[in-house]
Amino acid sequence: AQSVTQPDIHITVSEGASLELRCNYSYGATPYLFWYVQSPGQGLQLLLKYFSGDTLVQGIKGFEAEFKRSQSSFNLRKPSVHWSDAAEYFCAVGAPYSGAGSYQLTFGKGTKLSVIP
Amino acid sequence: GAGVSQSPSNKVTEKGKDVELRCDPISGHTALYWYRQSLGQGLEFLIYFQGNSAPDKSGLPSDRFSAERTGGSVSTLTIQRTQQEDSAVYLCASSPLGHSEAFFGQGTRLTVV
Repeated sequence: AQSVTQPDIHITVSEGASLELRCNYSYGATPYLFWYVQSPGQGLQLLLKYFSGDTLVQGIKGFEAEFKRSQSSFNLRKPSVHWSDAAEYFCAVGAPYSGAGSYQLTFGKGTKLSVIP
Repeated sequence: GAGVSQSPSNKVTEKGKDVELRCDPISGHTALYWYRQSLGQGLEFLIYFQGNSAPDKSGLPSDRFSAERTGGSVSTLTIQRTQQEDSAVYLCASSPLGHSEAFFGQGTRLTVV
């Protein structure tokens, strides 16, 4: 069965500083990897996803993530954090449903990001 | 509608009572998911519907939990004889056929007292 570990429960950074959120996964086949963001009181929004090809993927809001098979990692990065980035971030690995193009997502426990003005 | 709609947004119930949580997916989306989000535990998959196919119920934690999807659209998650450990935010998501992104609703916060 697949699993996702997000080692950092809570991270605090200053506005303008760079950010890296860690994610490690366990999956028996080619992983389908996702990062979602959840702002307070809101549902989850997809930031980016990796299926194959270029291991560096670009997402919305200036985020990117790098897939490293050798380390079973899919870390999320942003070069300069804005106060509006304060939220909870979830990494997920997807097991595909055959023929449907949809995925059963297994989520990590999340990393809460606080931003100091 | 513009997004996935869930109702109620908040529900407080007494232990032992049954509750129903409703999800209206985005129009035209064939896939519908239910997840449970407990404090500090991340999101836990509950159930998946895709068109007229048999649902994937592998995530339902006990037989007190059930869900249905009528007419391929609206879904209802029912929890019978609620327990305090059922307190959580229940999230619904939908996606169109052949599309990997799941669009989430804002959730229903269930509190069992």
